[in-house]
Formats: sequence, C-alpha cells, structure tokens
Amino acid sequence: AQKVTQAQTEISVVEKEDVTLDCVYETRDTTYYLFWYKQPPSGELVFLIRRNSFDEQNEISGRYSWNFQKSTSSFNFTITASQVVDSAVYFCALSTRYMDSNYQLIWGAGTKLIIKP
Amino acid sequence: ETGVTQTPRHLVMGMTNKKSLKCEQHLGHNAMYWYKQSAKKPLELMFVYNFKEQTENNSVPSRFSPECPNSSHLFLHLHTLQPEDSALYLCASTYRGQTSGNTIYFGEGSWLTVV
Repeated sequence: AQKVTQAQTEISVVEKEDVTLDCVYETRDTTYYLFWYKQPPSGELVFLIRRNSFDEQNEISGRYSWNFQKSTSSFNFTITASQVVDSAVYFCALSTRYMDSNYQLIWGAGTKLIIKP
Repeated sequence: ETGVTQTPRHLVMGMTNKKSLKCEQHLGHNAMYWYKQSAKKPLELMFVYNFKEQTENNSVPSRFSPECPNSSHLFLHLHTLQPEDSALYLCASTYRGQTSGNTIYFGEGSWLTVV
C-alpha cells in the first residue's frame, strides 16, 4: 500500500522559533520520489522540494531544511527562525513507479502551520 | 509568477448554470491535471490528460466535463452542479518523459461556490 501520513494537523509557534513538520510514508517500491508543497491562504500549491529514494542527503535552502531517512521512512521538513509569511498548509506527497505510471501523487493530509508575531 | 494560470480565480454559480474553468500552462509540459480540494478533505485527483488524451478519470460525476484542446490548455466545464461541489479546483501540469517522478506544478486555483 502507498500512504503518506502527516500526523500533525496543526502547529502554532511564535515567530523566530524553529519548527519541524513530520512526514512518514509507506511504499514497497524501491524507486520513489518525495515532495513538499506549501499552500498559503490564496490557494496555490507551491512546490518546495523533490527528493528521490536514492538520495538520502539532507538538503538546506535558506531557512528551510529537509531530513530524509529511509530507515524510518520519514521526510521531515524544518523551518528555522520562522516568519509570519511561513504560515500556510504544508503537504508532503509520494510518487512511486506504479503511481507515476498513472501520473499521480499520494498526498498527506497536510499540516497547518501558524506563525504568531 | 506562476507558470500555470487559472481563470477565473473566483466563481459563484447557481445549480442550473453552465460555466467553465480555464487553465493554461506556459512551462512546455505535456500532461495536465484537475484536482479538487474541499474543506477538511484531502486533495482529490479528478482528471489527467497526457498529450491531450485523457488517461485518468477518477469516477468524477458527469456534471464535470473536461476538455483538453492542446497540451497547453485545459478546461473544466461545469453544469447542474450541487452545493457540495463548492471547493477549490486546482489545475496542474508536468512533463511526462522517460524518467518518472517529475514535479507537478500547480496553478493558483479557482474558488467555486455553488448556490
């Protein structure tokens, strides 16, 4: 079964705090891709990162960092020194070889992040 | 500026109306999608078009009728909708090549309210 779990429904922190959004996935495929998207209140889903299953290196982009651990099937997302503009719903998604042949992504339920000034 | 543009951004329609949502991608992609996002529900894939051919129809009611005249344009024709069809409709596109796992890029969405 293919599944993505984002257990944190909503997180609220004060500006400048660090925050980590969890993502746990399930797949039997050895080739797969993981994604994070940001959805601000305006509605657009903004692509943040794509990672394939053969690349376990962590990635940093400014205040954003991602920790991919195949041993725990997790692909967590950390925002350092959070800002009010980071407030949004964040989605983790999975694409496996089977699902990709049908051009689909498996989506997590999303985590609503609220950054208070 | 997004490479996928959707119009209109907001639409209010009666249950007997006929309206259309339009999507255009400027990314040179060859596959396009319609997704539905209702409040407190996960993203639902509605339709997939690859090279203008529909390759996926996730049991969507016939009151939603997609049209893909070319790989850059996608429409969603709406008629006799129900209030429960009120949602955010997202268009997306990607490039389907020999490698898998290509990134899907989304438009800003069309907020639909059925009254």
